[in-house]
Formats: sequence, structure tokens, C-alpha cells
Amino acid sequence: VQLVESGGGLVQPGKSLKLSCSASGFTFSSYGMHWIRQAPGKGLDWVAYISSSSGTVYADAVKGRFTISRDNAKNTLYLQLNSLKSEDTAIYYCNYGFAYWGQGTLVTVSS
Amino acid sequence: DVVMTQTPVSLSVSLGGQTSISCRSSQSLVHSDGNTYLYWYLQKPGQSPQLLIYKVSNRFSGVPDRFSGSGSGTDFTLKISRVEPEDLGVYYCYQGTHYPRTFGGGTKLELK
Repeated sequence: VQLVESGGGLVQPGKSLKLSCSASGFTFSSYGMHWIRQAPGKGLDWVAYISSSSGTVYADAVKGRFTISRDNAKNTLYLQLNSLKSEDTAIYYCNYGFAYWGQGTLVTVSS
Repeated sequence: DVVMTQTPVSLSVSLGGQTSISCRSSQSLVHSDGNTYLYWYLQKPGQSPQLLIYKVSNRFSGVPDRFSGSGSGTDFTLKISRVEPEDLGVYYCYQGTHYPRTFGGGTKLELK
């Protein structure tokens, strides 16, 4: 199993960013996937989940601003981040099956 | 939301020693399917979290038997025996029963 996140970077408050997570080594289309984040020096914070049938659940802190989606043909998970705030600054990890995590991609929201 | 309370916040242990970490949830973690989705992770500096224990007491593949998990309902414990240098880092409990998913605040394991 391999999960590789990308798309992070420095973005101004109020702007948008789209993260990707490329998956391999398992049947991506059959499994739900999570995004989890970690602010610098802080603990882990669950962000969103998408089921194999594309049902979604979000943390209250991101509901209405973030959108999780998937492209099973590309074995790729996405997280669209809109209306970004400084408190969204974090490493964003994709996660599958509780055991498997990517290396994370850093999102920094700052003017 | 289910609040996961982890104690202590930090631990100082000697190599070869034994220690334990407590995790309490504000609601029962028994799922309607009968399983209890309580997990333990270790995050080493600069790394992604790694799964140690799944569903309360099952060691993940490759995890040494020095690690053991126990508990039920709302009270859970991770025990580490014969502590080795590679065990140092931050430990997190995580509940996968209810949405939103929630983590404990973490326990930093350091060398005495």
C-alpha cells in the first residue's frame, strides 16, 4: 500500500487549494478514505471521510469550506480547501484502513 | 462529539522499563456491529503516525509483543514493556466508532 499526497503550499487567507492523494497497492474503489491533519507541534485532527460509494462526512470546523472527493479511475483522493483560515495551517494526511497513511502535505495559510 | 482523554501527557521511562497510557472516551466505543473501534498509534518525530493496536487489543502486523492493548467500553490502556529507544515518540488513541472521528491529545514518551 502506498499513499502519496501532493498539492500543499503557501496560500493567503480566504483563498483555495486542492490536495491530492495518489493511492496504490490496494483496490482503491472498494474502500473509504479519510483526510486527517496536524497543525505544527499539535495533535492529530480528523477532517473528512468519503465512502467507497462517495458518501461524505466532515468535521464541523471544515464543513461548508472543504470538499472531499475521489476519482476511482485515477486511484486518487482529493480535498478541496476553500475560504482558508490561518487555523487550517497543518500537514494534511490521507489515510486508508486505519493503518495506512501518506507522508503528508503541508498547507500554510498566511498573508 | 466523543472526547478522548489521554493520560498522562508525558511519560519518562528507562530503557528496558515498563509503562502504560490511559485513554478514556466520553461515550462507549462499542459499535452497533459489536466491535470496539479503538486504535493506538505511535508518531515518531518527522514521521506519519504508525498503527500499533487495532480494535482495542490486536497488534498490527510487525508490531512487537512488547505492546499490548486492553480495555472496554470507555476505558482503554496501552502497555509497553521492555521499552526500547525506537519506542520514543508521541502515542495517540483514536476512536473509529462515531463520527466525527476523534483522537486523544497524545502522550509523549521520553527517556529518563
